[in-house]
Amino acid sequence: DTAVSQTPKYLVTQMGNDKSIKCEQNLGHDTMYWYKQDSKKFLKIMFSYNNKELIINETVPNRFSPKSPDKAHLNLHINSLELGDSAVYFCASSQDRAVGYEQYFGPGTRLTVT
Amino acid sequence: QKEVEQNSGPLSVPEGAIASLNCTYSDRGSQSFFWYRQYSGKSPELIMFIYSNGDKEDGRFTAQLNKASQYVSLLIRDSQPSDSATYLCAVIGYNQGGKLIFGQGTELSVKP
Repeated sequence: DTAVSQTPKYLVTQMGNDKSIKCEQNLGHDTMYWYKQDSKKFLKIMFSYNNKELIINETVPNRFSPKSPDKAHLNLHINSLELGDSAVYFCASSQDRAVGYEQYFGPGTRLTVT
Repeated sequence: QKEVEQNSGPLSVPEGAIASLNCTYSDRGSQSFFWYRQYSGKSPELIMFIYSNGDKEDGRFTAQLNKASQYVSLLIRDSQPSDSATYLCAVIGYNQGGKLIFGQGTELSVKP
């Protein structure tokens, strides 16, 4: 069974389009995250939700909007895509947001904006 | 100053040697420290975590934490070619809601 899954795995789209990435975890975790990994492999947190409540919102353009319909799902919608949005986006989950809980990462979605 | 700093490498060691990976962090209130391994094209996977000063051993891996020096390291004994990957140091600060701050990663290459 896949613990944290993301769809799609690859996403190629043109500038200006709107796209969504979906994430699901079957671990029963309360907290979910979105990370962006750029071309230099630097991994940076974007958002975090705990039981459907937004708790971390880093300095991310408001073209990016996370949505959590329930605690097992955290989707990422991106409006008006730009070339600089090209990256790998990882979803992750942890049992709780308190320090010390391991975060489990999904397989990633490679987004290419042309 | 970056919040979490690592030597980007690449670090090359012969098979069977000890690989030493280092990380420093800027937030003195940081409480939890993690080492993730990421193979090319794959997602990060946790290999070690440490909360207290000193050493923590798990198989061939040893994590070392020195909060006074704001320094955390990972030693890999008897390095194998399968250990070749990028190693990411990550830190959770005090009252940060579980936010992991990653270093830029160190690329390790173990030569047969």
